[in-house]
Amino acid sequence: DVKVTQSSRYLVKRTGEKVFLECVQDMDHENMFWYRQDPGLGLRLIYFSYDVKMKEKGDIPEGYSVSREKKERFSLILESASTNQTSMYLCASSSEWKTQYFGPGTRLLVL
Amino acid sequence: SQQGEEDPQALSIQEGENATMNCSYKTSINNLQWYRQNSGRGLVHLILIRSNEREKHSGRLRVTLDTSKKSSSLLITASRAADTASYFCATYGSARQLTFGSGTQLTVLP
Repeated sequence: DVKVTQSSRYLVKRTGEKVFLECVQDMDHENMFWYRQDPGLGLRLIYFSYDVKMKEKGDIPEGYSVSREKKERFSLILESASTNQTSMYLCASSSEWKTQYFGPGTRLLVL
Repeated sequence: SQQGEEDPQALSIQEGENATMNCSYKTSINNLQWYRQNSGRGLVHLILIRSNEREKHSGRLRVTLDTSKKSSSLLITASRAADTASYFCATYGSARQLTFGSGTQLTVLP
């Protein structure tokens, strides 16, 4: 059974802290994605990666960076968390450009 | 940027009734997908329809695609309380990414 896991379900951080969100998939997928989801705005793509060490900006990359050192792992980094980054963060992976498999999400609160 | 827009934003029906959700998009696509999200959880893929297909079925789900109108619909027949969730359409176009709509919140009352 396909599986995408995220390091935390809930996270509380303070403004200015560096935040790491980790995502791991066990399907040997080339592509991995980070989205944020906010009420009324749907899912918005932050960054995606189509290969190890490759990354591309999505629609809202500002304030975020990513790292993909291994094929199965894709990390989202908030260099200096701000309150407007309070959101639900969803990781996904896919093979080629087909169905995406999502993790359970991380609900981040920045105080 | 949002490609797909779902309509209605919210839908409330009785168990056993059919639920229809619509999605419109703006640019040419390779395929269109529908996903479901239960409250506070990740998204689950339901069905994919390619741009050269007009209709597809999967269990109680029926999806249609009209590329001339840039629209799709998702029909859930004989709905159950467990179908209560948010439903999103997502399109794959020339950019190598899925673009999601803002979703339809479906509530099925027992």
